[in-house]
Amino acid sequence: GAVVSQHPSWVICKSGTSVKIECRSLDFQATTMFWYRQFPKQSLMLMATSNEGSKATYEQGVEKDKFLINHASLTLSTLTVTSAHPEDSSFYICSARGTGTSAYEQYFGPGTRLTVT
Amino acid sequence: GENVEQHPSTLSVQEGDSAVIKCTYSDSASNYFPWYKQELGKRPQLIIDIRSNVGEKKDQRIAVTLNKTAKHFSLHITETQPEDSAVYFCAASMGGATNKLIFGTGTLLAVQP
Repeated sequence: GAVVSQHPSWVICKSGTSVKIECRSLDFQATTMFWYRQFPKQSLMLMATSNEGSKATYEQGVEKDKFLINHASLTLSTLTVTSAHPEDSSFYICSARGTGTSAYEQYFGPGTRLTVT
Repeated sequence: GENVEQHPSTLSVQEGDSAVIKCTYSDSASNYFPWYKQELGKRPQLIIDIRSNVGEKKDQRIAVTLNKTAKHFSLHITETQPEDSAVYFCAASMGGATNKLIFGTGTLLAVQP
């Protein structure tokens, strides 16, 4: 139980374009979803927290107009990287917790490797 | 906000030896401390966690200890095997409605056969 999927697993886009990443909870209702970014050989850095039906809360230093997060349903959250640039190339990982899951544990998606050329 | 420090950044041990990774957190309100193993290009995998009302927890070859007074927690892996080689992250959370996790900087563990 508590499975989280992400799509796509990897994406290459050109500088200046936008790319959307989907995060889905497959067998539970995700009341809260988290988006992380991980650069090579670095730790996971929390970008934002989103509760279903509410606006996302962004961490300090994360541009909310560049990284658009939508959590419109209890099973789906999306992260859109707008006007992507090479420095946005990274591993983006979502996680979720919700109804019927541990009160503390977060369930991670498999990640999306974004490369901006 | 919460800050989590992790040491060492790299650790090399011989197969069969023990490995210890240590973390320190800053916010005394933190009450949940998970440890993750991450292989290259994959998602973090929860290997063990501990809550603040417990001082130690063990699961086969893996154990975690927590010292709330000193705000330290440690991961202990005994009888290490080559398949234990990976990056390990500690994290801390204050729980509650959002349960935001703050991660340590990671430890690259290499188990030499």
